[in-house]
Amino acid sequence: AQKITQTQPGMFVQEKEAVTLDCTYDTSDPSYGLFWYKQPSSGEMIFLIYQGSYDQQNATEGRYSLNFQKARKSANLVISASQLGDSAMYFCAMREGGRAAGNKLTFGGGTRVLVKP
Amino acid sequence: DADVTQTPRNRITKTGKRIMLECSQTKGHDRMYWYRQDPGLGLRLIYYSFDVKDINKGEISDGYSVSRQAQAKFSLSLESAIPNQTALYFCATSDLKGKLFFGEGSRLTVL
Repeated sequence: AQKITQTQPGMFVQEKEAVTLDCTYDTSDPSYGLFWYKQPSSGEMIFLIYQGSYDQQNATEGRYSLNFQKARKSANLVISASQLGDSAMYFCAMREGGRAAGNKLTFGGGTRVLVKP
Repeated sequence: DADVTQTPRNRITKTGKRIMLECSQTKGHDRMYWYRQDPGLGLRLIYYSFDVKDINKGEISDGYSVSRQAQAKFSLSLESAIPNQTALYFCATSDLKGKLFFGEGSRLTVL
C-alpha cells in the first residue's frame, strides 16, 4: 500500500488565490513527521513546512500552512495568495518514527502547480 | 557556496560503465542520504548513513553501493550502469531536529 498519496497530479491556480494540495498518509507508528517540499523547474528541493504527529497546532510558515487532520491521516498544504513563483512540483513526505530515527523519508508522487497570471 | 554539494551535476554514460556520484556537506551533520527521483514517482531512498561507520540500505539499494569516506563525504556508485538507472539523484543531510538539506541534484543518463 502507498504510504503517501497525492491524488492531484496537476492543477492550475489563479494568481493571488489560495490553493490546497492534498496529501494522505498511512502509518501505524504513533510518532511520525510530515513534510512538504517544493521543486521548481530548476530541480532543487526546497523545504516548506513540517508537522509532527504530536504537534497540537497546525504548522504555518509564511504563506504556507498545513491542514493536519490526524484521524483522517491527511496533511494538506495550503498556499495562500499564490504567486507566479509558486509554479512548481510539490511533494508531501513522511518520516516514520521520531526525529532520532533519522529522516528516511517516504515521498508521494507530487503535484504540479501552475499559477496563472 | 551550497551547504550540500553534488558532483557531477550532469552525466551521460553508457551501459556497463562504472559511475560515481559524490556528495560533500559543510553542515557538520552526521546523517546523510542518497535519494533517486523518477518522473511521477517522487523520491525514493537508496542508502543512508547515520555516521561514518553506519551505512544502511534504503528502499531501492539494488545496483548501487555507497562509501562514507568522512563525516562530510558520502558517495554513491553504480558498478555497472543500466538504462533504468537514468534518473535525478539527490544527496541530503539532516540534523537531529529533523530537517533535510538537499543538494542540487545530479542528473544521470545511461544510454
